Amino acid sequence: QMQLVQSGAEVKKPGSSVKVSCKTSGGTFSNYGFNWVRLAPGQGLQWMGGVIPILGKTSLAQKFQGRVTITADESTNTVHMDLNGLRSEDTAVYYCARSGGFYYYMDVWGTGTTVTVSS
Amino acid sequence: DIQMTQSPSSLSASVGDRVTITCRASQTIANFLNWYQHKPGKAPKLLIYDASNLQSGVPSRFSGSGSGTDFTLTITSLQPDDFATYYCQHSYSTPLSFGGGTKVEIK
Repeated sequence: QMQLVQSGAEVKKPGSSVKVSCKTSGGTFSNYGFNWVRLAPGQGLQWMGGVIPILGKTSLAQKFQGRVTITADESTNTVHMDLNGLRSEDTAVYYCARSGGFYYYMDVWGTGTTVTVSS
Repeated sequence: DIQMTQSPSSLSASVGDRVTITCRASQTIANFLNWYQHKPGKAPKLLIYDASNLQSGVPSRFSGSGSGTDFTLTITSLQPDDFATYYCQHSYSTPLSFGGGTKVEIK
C-alpha cells in the first residue's frame, strides 16, 4: 500500500515562501495523480491543485494561480508544493493526497504539514 | 466552478442513531461524488467514492446514494468512533471542490 510522508512543520514570515514535500513509497508513482488540499483553522477542506507526473500536467484552483507551483520528481517519487507571497490566511495544515488522475477520488492521504505564517 | 453545499453544518446525535448528511452540487456531476471523514490531528479518510461505492476497509454502516446534483451519506447506527467532520467532494471537473463539512457531535 502506498504511503505518503510529508515534510515537517514550518513557521514563516508574511511575504516569504514555503515548500512542502510529499514523499511516496510502496507503490508505482507514475500510475497516479497527486493533489494538495489544505485545512485552515475554522474552515473546511480546500483543493489547491494537482499534478499527474506521467503526463507532466498540473491543474490549479484559480485562487492559487500565480502563487502555487506543484511539481513531481520521478527520480525520488516525491511531489512538491511551493506557495509564495505567504499571508496569515495561509496558516493551515497542508495535505497531499493520491488519486487516479484529476477526475478521481483521493484514496491515500499524506501525514499533513502545518504551516504557520506569523510576523 | 462547481459549488458543493452540505447540510446540516453540524448535528448532535447519540450512539446507535441513524444519521443522514446531504450534499448538493451547483450543477450536475453524474456520480462523481466522494465522502470523507476527518478527525482533528489526522488525515482525512475516504469513505465512499463515486456516490455509492464503499471504500475498502470502511464499515458497512456507512452508505452513500444519489446522482446528478443531490447526494446523501448515511450512517445507520452511529458508533463512538464516528464522531468527526464529514465532507463531500466532487471529482467531475477541475477545480475540484469540497462541501463546507458536517460536524457530528455527541448528544
